[in-house]
Formats: sequence, C-alpha cells, structure tokens
Amino acid sequence: DIQLTQSPSTLSASVGDRVTITCRASQSISSWLAWYQQKPGKAPKLLIYQASSLESGVPSRFSGSGSGTEFTLTISSLQPDDFATYYCQQYNTYYTFGQGTKLEVK
Amino acid sequence: QVQLQESGPGLVKPSQTLSLTCTVSGGSINSDGFYWSWIRQHPGKGLEWIGYIHSSGTTYYSPSLKSRVTISLDTSKNHFSLKLNSVTAADTAVYYCAATIPATGMDFDYWGQGTLVTVSA
Repeated sequence: DIQLTQSPSTLSASVGDRVTITCRASQSISSWLAWYQQKPGKAPKLLIYQASSLESGVPSRFSGSGSGTEFTLTISSLQPDDFATYYCQQYNTYYTFGQGTKLEVK
Repeated sequence: QVQLQESGPGLVKPSQTLSLTCTVSGGSINSDGFYWSWIRQHPGKGLEWIGYIHSSGTTYYSPSLKSRVTISLDTSKNHFSLKLNSVTAADTAVYYCAATIPATGMDFDYWGQGTLVTVSA
C-alpha cells in the first residue's frame, strides 16, 4: 500500500497568512495527487488535481506543487472560508488518502 | 453538472449486509467513461476508498475490503449500489458516493452529501 503522511496534523493561522501543508508518499506517485477541502458535516471538495492543476471554480489563492514523493498545498492569503480540514489523495495505485490537516483559527 | 445522492438504511445489525444506493442526476451513469466510487469516513477520522465501478461495468475494490464488497450499476434507474456484508461496529461510518472524470485524472470530481450508517444491535 502507498501511505500518505500529511504535516502538520493541525495548523493554527490567521486571516491573511500564507500557509503550506505537506503530503509525503511512501513511494513515488509521479503527479497523481489531489487535494480536497472538507468542512464539518460536508463532503470533501476537490481543490487541486494532478498535483498542481486548479479545479474549475476554486480561488487562485490555492496552489499545489510537487512530484514523486513530496507535495505541497499552499494558500497564499488565508480567507475566513478557508478554515477547514485538508486531505491529500493519491491515485497512482488504487486510492489512499492522507490523515488530514486541520487548519484552525489562531 | 453531475449530482449524486446516497440513500439507504441508517442502522444495520452486526453480521448483516449494508446496502446503499447512489442516484445520479445531470448525466447518464453508463456514458462518458466515468468511474463511480464509494468512500467512507469513520466518525472523526479520515477517508477510506471502498471501490469503484466503471461505466462499462468493470469493478475494482480496496484490497482490505474486497472479500466483503460488491458494487453494481443499474442503468435503468441511473444509480449504482454498494453492498458490504458481514458488517461489524467497525463499519460504522459516513458513506459517500463520488464520481471520477478520467480526463482530469483519477481524483473524485463530484461527491454526494454522505449518509451515516451505524452498525448496532
């Protein structure tokens, strides 16, 4: 199985901050990685696919980068609506998700 | 815009079979090469992919659940279904259905709202 490890597990930040979440894969997954945002009681929402492609309708303050085993999700200037939990997901070998990063208000 | 809606019992007894349906609107379930998945989330935990069925009928299941899972398509009703047998309390979770558009990669482009299934006597 391909394991995905996200760091940090919890991130405290303020509106306007630039934040970065890291996702590391236990083996190379090329660029087969997506990022999702999930709010309490809601389904996850796709933000980034193929490591760096922005899903239609997602604000441009979200960006993704990386390939192989290390990936990042960056929010350039946090907005109040961005406080949520973020998951990475690989689809190189079936599908697995990271354990999640909770982005909370500092 | 594809929309998905899960339905099924919210309570299942241990050792019985969990059965859920995902109704698709805004598109045909047997066209366009879409993949239709089930994903679950244990209370307060992360996400676990269960399996998918391709619009052609081909299935692929998570190795950890493969022995207990069946996913099927019903093109006449434009829905797909999940059956998970021999359930235990460990199968208590929110179950989501999701759709994948292969042109943008094998990520999950559309999701249902989720349905909580509790396994308890």
